Amino acid sequence: AQRVTQPEKLLSVFKGAPVELKCNYSYSGSPELFWYVQYSRQRLQLLLRHISRESIKGFTADLNKGETSFHLKKPFAQEEDSAMYYCALSGGSGNTGKLIFGQGTTLQVKP
Amino acid sequence: NAGVMQNPRHLVRRRGQEARLRCSPMKGHSHVYWYRQLPEEGLKFMVYLQKENIIDESGMPKERFSAEFPKEGPSILRIQQVVRGDSAAYFCASSPLSGDTYEQYFGPGTRLTVT
Repeated sequence: AQRVTQPEKLLSVFKGAPVELKCNYSYSGSPELFWYVQYSRQRLQLLLRHISRESIKGFTADLNKGETSFHLKKPFAQEEDSAMYYCALSGGSGNTGKLIFGQGTTLQVKP
Repeated sequence: NAGVMQNPRHLVRRRGQEARLRCSPMKGHSHVYWYRQLPEEGLKFMVYLQKENIIDESGMPKERFSAEFPKEGPSILRIQQVVRGDSAAYFCASSPLSGDTYEQYFGPGTRLTVT
C-alpha cells in the first residue's frame, strides 16, 4: 500500500539549531515526493519537490530510495520557519497527480 | 489572480442535513482535487475532477458523498445526510494540468461541523 509516515507530531528546536523533519514512504514504483508547508493562518503551499532539487528558504530534501526516506533539512532554523510541515507522495494508477500525505509535523522554533 | 477560493469557510450542519462545499479553481486551471482532513490526521485524497468529468473517485466514501465540476461554475462537494464523523476540514486544490509535474494550489479549506 502507498503510505507516507512522519513519525514526529511536534519538533521543537531553538533558533539557529539544525532541523530535520523525518519522512518515510511506502510505494511500489518510482515516487514523486513533495514537502508542503502551512504557516499560521495561511493556506497549504508547496515548499519543495524532489525532482526540482532546489533549496527553498534554506530547506533541502534528498530522496533516499534505499531507506525510502525524504527527510527535510535546514542547517540553521529561523523563528519564521515555525509551521506545520507535510510530506506527500504522488502516486496512483494513471499518474493523475493525486497526493498522499503524511500526518504532518509541527515545527516550533524557539527564540 | 485571487487563488483557489472555497466557500463557505465554516459550515455547521445538524445530523441528517445536507452539506454543499464549493471550490473555485485558479483562473486557467481545469483540474480540481478534493481532500479531507479529519482531526489529528493528514489530508486524505477524495476525488479528482476535470471539467464535466470525474477522473478518480477512489477516495470517496461509497455512500452520501458526490462531487461535480460543471462546465460553468465552481466544483461542488456534496454530502447528504451528514453524520458526526463527517466533521472535518475539506480542502480543494487546482492545477493547470494533471500529473506530478504540475503544482497543486490549495484553497483555505471549509471546516464542517456536524452537531
